Amino acid sequence: GQQLNQSPQSMFIQEGEDVSMNCTSSSIFNTWLWYKQDPGEGPVLLIALYKAGELTSNGRLTAQFGITRKDSFLNISASIPSDVGIYFCAGQSTGNQFYFGTGTSLTVIP
Amino acid sequence: SQTIHQWPATLVQPVGSPLSLECTVEGTSNPNLYWYRQAAGRGLQLLFYSVGIGQISSEVPQNLSASRPQDRQFILSSKKLLLSDSGFYLCAWSVGGSHNEQFFGPGTRLTVL
Repeated sequence: GQQLNQSPQSMFIQEGEDVSMNCTSSSIFNTWLWYKQDPGEGPVLLIALYKAGELTSNGRLTAQFGITRKDSFLNISASIPSDVGIYFCAGQSTGNQFYFGTGTSLTVIP
Repeated sequence: SQTIHQWPATLVQPVGSPLSLECTVEGTSNPNLYWYRQAAGRGLQLLFYSVGIGQISSEVPQNLSASRPQDRQFILSSKKLLLSDSGFYLCAWSVGGSHNEQFFGPGTRLTVL
């Protein structure tokens, strides 16, 4: 199945720094989703985006639905140790399937 | 509110043994249901999805099968496990159609020895 290009693959940052990651696709999506996964647990939905150009925040997290509908960005401001985990993007077009990125592993150094 | 359950949480099985993983959703009707496998903590591979009772779409040909005997129950099975079946299995649900969110269960860690 289709897989989204997610970058960077991993990040090592100091506590307090801001984080940016993105996903790109060769196909247009109607929905973009961002998840965080802790070790041994299922992914948890962080932010959902439904319109091109939409900018949505959830606390220190901000995500944007790219204007071309082929990309999305997630920013985390003022990172803290509990932000550690793997972040996934996902896109949905008109069908019932969701397509996932390969994940960004985030390590926050206290 | 909606909740999704998976069991067992962990499973160790010998090669060649059968498998049955169960997923149930509460608080919603006629959900779309999905089975994913995740290897090495990265990359979710869609195995099966279902838009209704008895309706199963297979994405990856392999020795696994899925069934949906009830509206909110999704089962992943195998008659004979392979070493390569080891991984983290995730069940998920969504409302049908586009412009929707997908929610995951807690997962089942399967180790085939």
